Amino acid sequence: AQSVTQPDIHITVSEGASLELRCNYSYGATPYLFWYVQSPGQGLQLLLKYFSGDTLVQGIKGFEAEFKRSQSSFNLRKPSVHWSDAAEYFCAVAPSGGYNKLIFGAGTRLAVHP
Amino acid sequence: EAGVTQSPTHLIKTRGQQATLRCSPISGHTSVYWYQQALGLGLQFLLWYDEGEERNRGNFPPRFSGRQFPNYSSELNVNALELEDSALYLCASSLGAGAYYEQFFGPGTRLTVL
Repeated sequence: AQSVTQPDIHITVSEGASLELRCNYSYGATPYLFWYVQSPGQGLQLLLKYFSGDTLVQGIKGFEAEFKRSQSSFNLRKPSVHWSDAAEYFCAVAPSGGYNKLIFGAGTRLAVHP
Repeated sequence: EAGVTQSPTHLIKTRGQQATLRCSPISGHTSVYWYQQALGLGLQFLLWYDEGEERNRGNFPPRFSGRQFPNYSSELNVNALELEDSALYLCASSLGAGAYYEQFFGPGTRLTVL
């Protein structure tokens, strides 16, 4: 069965520090990969996505993610975290065959210390 | 451009009642998706509608149903409410069918079952 694992439920970083959020997926073929962010009381916003090609993808708000096929991973990174980045982050996969359903990880809640 | 809108923002029901949640997609979007975000269960895919037809449903009982209207808005109905149906219900829309199209999320309807 397809699944997404985000091993870190909670992460706390200091403002200005670098960030890496981990995501591993289990799927037969390379799926489409996504990172979403959810701020309190708000819906999900897409940060970035990977379909094919360059394995390092750039997203909004200074985020990037790297797809590593050998590790079935799609980790999210940001070189310098801002207090406004405090939110919950979700990794998601969708089968690449046009079957339209997002499978989400459990999420990682990010806290940012001043 | 207006985003995905959902109503009501909050809904309180008692066990056994029925709940109706509504979603208006972004103008021009033909696909609508419903997700349940329950405490401890994460985000789970519920239903996908495209061009008025149900295209896919997640692993939920038949008392979760819905429809898509000719103007592409959608309704999610939950019959015979149970306590564990308490959750945030998120609606998303996309420009077309297929995982290639980004899903844009609304702010959600918080359903509380007492």
